[in-house]
Amino acid sequence: SQQGEEDPQALSIQEGENATMNCSYKTSINNLQWYRQNSGRGLVHLILIRSNEREKHSGRLRVTLDTSKKSSSLLITASRAADTASYFCATDGQGGSEKLVFGKGTKLTVNP
Amino acid sequence: DAGITQSPRHKVTETGTPVTLRCHQTENHRYMYWYRQDPGHGLRLIHYSYGVKDTDKGEVSDGYSVSRSKTEDFLLTLESATSSQTSVYFCAISEGRYSYEQYFGPGTRLTVT
Repeated sequence: SQQGEEDPQALSIQEGENATMNCSYKTSINNLQWYRQNSGRGLVHLILIRSNEREKHSGRLRVTLDTSKKSSSLLITASRAADTASYFCATDGQGGSEKLVFGKGTKLTVNP
Repeated sequence: DAGITQSPRHKVTETGTPVTLRCHQTENHRYMYWYRQDPGHGLRLIHYSYGVKDTDKGEVSDGYSVSRSKTEDFLLTLESATSSQTSVYFCAISEGRYSYEQYFGPGTRLTVT
């Protein structure tokens, strides 16, 4: 069963705007990761945030984690057409298994 | 880019035939994974390996088997392909367990007619 659930399922914005995607999960985690997938390609790792971290930055990406609400958000600032992709959150399973469990993704479209 | 290749990249096969997909890595990573991606389901884990000859089942393992006789190769076999196994299959690798990022291959699009 899915651990992470992204919201919204689809998001369409104009170039230069910020894009925010959310991920909710059900059980306790050790860390949460965000991945990007361009159409027809494999997933690419963006950022990993550990359960004892609240916020992490990487370039134009900002990830927050609220373990009390079991939720995370991915903010992309000053979006570009090249950011058009699907974005997935992934969590380690309950009890810290070797396996990552991926959500169904948010499809982001950035219009030029 | 991490050195992961998948072969074949595209395959069309008939129901009931066996199919083997290959994942090859040049990174010497310990962990290797097979996922399938379907609309509405996201990415689901089929099987994974945590070392040579060490494998375990994922969420959707029925109808699939795997083998890993060398660190660099992880094979996924559909013993008797069914139309429900039409999907895009991704291989991934990682250095360690869940605390490590996974690197994904380019995918194999499999169609079972």
